[in-house]
Amino acid sequence: EVQLVESGGGLVQPGGSLRLSCAASGFSFSKVWMQWVRQAPGKGLVWVSRIESDGTDRSYADSVKGRFTISRDNAKNTLYLQMNSLRADDTAVYFCVRTLYFAFDMWGQGTMVTVSP
Amino acid sequence: QSALTQPPSASGSPGQSVTISCTGSSSDVGGYNYVSWYQQHPGKAPKLLIYEVTQRPAGVPNRFSGSKSGNTASLNVSGLQAEDEADYYCSSYANINAWVFGGGTKLTVL
Repeated sequence: EVQLVESGGGLVQPGGSLRLSCAASGFSFSKVWMQWVRQAPGKGLVWVSRIESDGTDRSYADSVKGRFTISRDNAKNTLYLQMNSLRADDTAVYFCVRTLYFAFDMWGQGTMVTVSP
Repeated sequence: QSALTQPPSASGSPGQSVTISCTGSSSDVGGYNYVSWYQQHPGKAPKLLIYEVTQRPAGVPNRFSGSKSGNTASLNVSGLQAEDEADYYCSSYANINAWVFGGGTKLTVL
């Protein structure tokens, strides 16, 4: 079965860190770009970060640049998002997403990150 | 990385057609044929409906169609059905390996 399963979300204090993971299965993970997209409660979708198939090139939204790091382990079919210096406005559901044809063609179920004292 | 502009709401009766617009700039929608559309039901992950402006993934009904003119893309939903009631988001590839989403449109089937 083709799927993406996120984990690692939870409650963290402002200024804290969290690492999200996304386990991929059912497709050739090492051959596709992967991304993170987030959605604050009751709000719209926001692009966060992208990583190329071999991990050599990465890009970030201005709002997370310098604080978040995207990475991948193709041997483990796993995508990561290291989040540092977390702020209240980082509170959101974080989706792991596969990219094909410059579109987000497969989504995980999401993992909730709450930044609060 | 400014968000694309979508109307906050749209509505139509069963069997009717509705069009949702998505306005950007020459740096995103107008500059690339990489506009995509997503449907999201409450509490669910988004689902890809349209990619590369007009292409439908396998399994998406042909009631959903996309187009683009200049800096504005559009999603047309024909033959509205009750299950089409959901939030719809557009997205576009933008300069320097970035993506941008629209603010979302809540579609109500009357």
